[in-house]
Amino acid sequence: AQSVTQLGSHVSVSEGALVLLRCNYSSSVPPYLFWYVQYPNQGLQLLLKYTSAATLVKGINGFEAEFKKSETSFHLTKPSAHMSDAAEYFCAVIHWGDDKIIFGKGTRLHILP
Amino acid sequence: GAGVSQSPSNKVTEKGKDVELRCDPISGHTALYWYRQRLGQGLEFLIYFQGNSAPDKSGLPSDRFSAERTGESVSTLTIQRTQQEDSAVYLCASSLSSLGGGFTEAFFGQGTRLTVV
Repeated sequence: AQSVTQLGSHVSVSEGALVLLRCNYSSSVPPYLFWYVQYPNQGLQLLLKYTSAATLVKGINGFEAEFKKSETSFHLTKPSAHMSDAAEYFCAVIHWGDDKIIFGKGTRLHILP
Repeated sequence: GAGVSQSPSNKVTEKGKDVELRCDPISGHTALYWYRQRLGQGLEFLIYFQGNSAPDKSGLPSDRFSAERTGESVSTLTIQRTQQEDSAVYLCASSLSSLGGGFTEAFFGQGTRLTVV
């Protein structure tokens, strides 16, 4: 069965520093993977998705993620954090057995001035 | 419609009353999800619909919670005899799945904020 694990429920980075949010997946077949962002008091919106095309995926707001099969990882990065990046980030995978999208527990990103 | 629509956006109810939350998914989306999000917490999966059937109801927290979907469209989440611990934002999402001939990511509504007093 497919699943995702997000390492770190809270991550703090300084403004201008590299953002790295970790997501590892479990899947015996090629996965479809997603990152979502939830800004305070808002719904979830898609940041980017991997659907077995290019392994480096670029998303909105300068975020990108790299699919690494050997590491079963799909970590989210941004070269330079901005205060507006403070939000909750969710990694997700499609469970092929019943086509259900399964979400990780989320990582709250804090940006320090 | 253009996006996932949820109603009401806010609901305040007295403890012990029943409430119905509505979700209108994107037209043609075969998969529909309900999640609960308590203040400052992550997503708590409640139920998943594939068409009108619910292959996964494992997240419903008690028999006070039920959901249905009709016409492969609108879904309602019903909470009976509400308790204060039911206070949360209830999120609905929809997506296209293999049943609909392809896959998309999940699109979320803005949620219904339920407050039980």
